[in-house]
Amino acid sequence: EDQVTQSPEALRLQEGESSSLNCSYTVSGLRGLFWYRQDPGKGPEFLFTLYSAGEEKEKERLKATLTKKESFLHITAPKPEDSATYLCAVQANEYNFNKFYFGSGTKLNVKP
Amino acid sequence: KAGVTQTPRYLIKTRGQQVTLSCSPISGHRSVSWYQQTPGQGLQFLFEYFSETQRNKGNFPGRFSGRQFSNSRSEMNVSTLELGDSALYLCASSWNPADTQYFGPGTRLTVL
Repeated sequence: EDQVTQSPEALRLQEGESSSLNCSYTVSGLRGLFWYRQDPGKGPEFLFTLYSAGEEKEKERLKATLTKKESFLHITAPKPEDSATYLCAVQANEYNFNKFYFGSGTKLNVKP
Repeated sequence: KAGVTQTPRYLIKTRGQQVTLSCSPISGHRSVSWYQQTPGQGLQFLFEYFSETQRNKGNFPGRFSGRQFSNSRSEMNVSTLELGDSALYLCASSWNPADTQYFGPGTRLTVL
């Protein structure tokens, strides 16, 4: 079963058109939720870690929020350089081991 | 501070061959995880090492193996390569297994 689901799969925005990406999860024993940005052919770049419902983190045009079952990555007035795939991952404690589950990502394309 | 480094960056092999990939974590990080990324399956967890011990293993066949050295550097080996092993192999390091993971640039493996 899917542990982490990201939506939409792809998103096309005009420069300056704000929007949100969604990450919903079903794991129990959540220890943290992570957002990464990945450019084609490169490794994921760490953006945010969220640990508890109600927590928010901001960085430039990006703001991440967390509820008990999902997280949102809000992009305010995006620019073409924000085009990338955004990955969400959850860290769960299972049998005293930490396991990371990644979503399939949202591919964002910002047109000038 | 240098990031995670992976060598080689690109590799072309033929079916039946074996391959070894290397990962040097961020200085001070003792936990290393390996992931396979393909367009169809996304990021899939291979294994996790901490203090030279494998703590966690994903659902991959025994042809995939790894190890970690006393300086925290890690290698993964794939024997008897199959066409389906073509992927981007990513290494991620963290201070400990519960901490945020930082990814390297990946090794692009192509199996012909």
